[in-house]
Amino acid sequence: DTEVTQTPKHLVMGMTNKKSLKCEQHMGHRAMYWYKQKAKKPPELMFVYSYEKLSINESVPSRFSPECPNSSLLNLHLHALQPEDSALYLCASRPDANYGYTFGSGTRLTVV
Amino acid sequence: GENVEQHPSTLSVQEGDSAVIKCTYSDSASNYFPWYKQELGKGPQLIIDIRSNVGEKKDQRIAVTLNKTAKHFSLHITETQPEDSAVYFCAARANSGNTPLVFGKGTRLSVIA
Repeated sequence: DTEVTQTPKHLVMGMTNKKSLKCEQHMGHRAMYWYKQKAKKPPELMFVYSYEKLSINESVPSRFSPECPNSSLLNLHLHALQPEDSALYLCASRPDANYGYTFGSGTRLTVV
Repeated sequence: GENVEQHPSTLSVQEGDSAVIKCTYSDSASNYFPWYKQELGKGPQLIIDIRSNVGEKKDQRIAVTLNKTAKHFSLHITETQPEDSAVYFCAARANSGNTPLVFGKGTRLSVIA
């Protein structure tokens, strides 16, 4: 298995909803990432997990809450989002510092 | 911190011609330079990468060159095909710990049949 799997592929949520995005990889990668990508822009780093511990939080608002339950899973919990949070949310992983990222296909999030 | 500049932002070529995308970086400690291709509705896909101990790397129709002195690297696509149409991102990273990739702003490549 050489993929990063993200679910759901599409999500529409209201501003008062609570939802979660899920990311899974079975490649044994120990670093996992959440990125946010707006249209026609590069991916923007949100969080980095290394060996299941949060190592980087790029000053992301608390309405985004990451969780790494085990070495294969990464979740992003969403609560009280704003319409401007609508974007493609990408998960990525890599085995160690000598390699590039493998990205998932993303979750297209729309906040209404 | 690292800053990556990418040019051009859009590029149109005729099928069969070559395409070149250029990036510059600012941090001399950066030593890993990947290129990603992103098709509509998909996540970025790593297409080729180069490390600072190498000046050039080739994989079929795709090649990347690196000039450490000038701090720039380029993607070359030869014999372009319509399926090469996508957004291409360059990135750079210092190879230490969890230092994340820093991306360029992207180049939208259109290959006209």
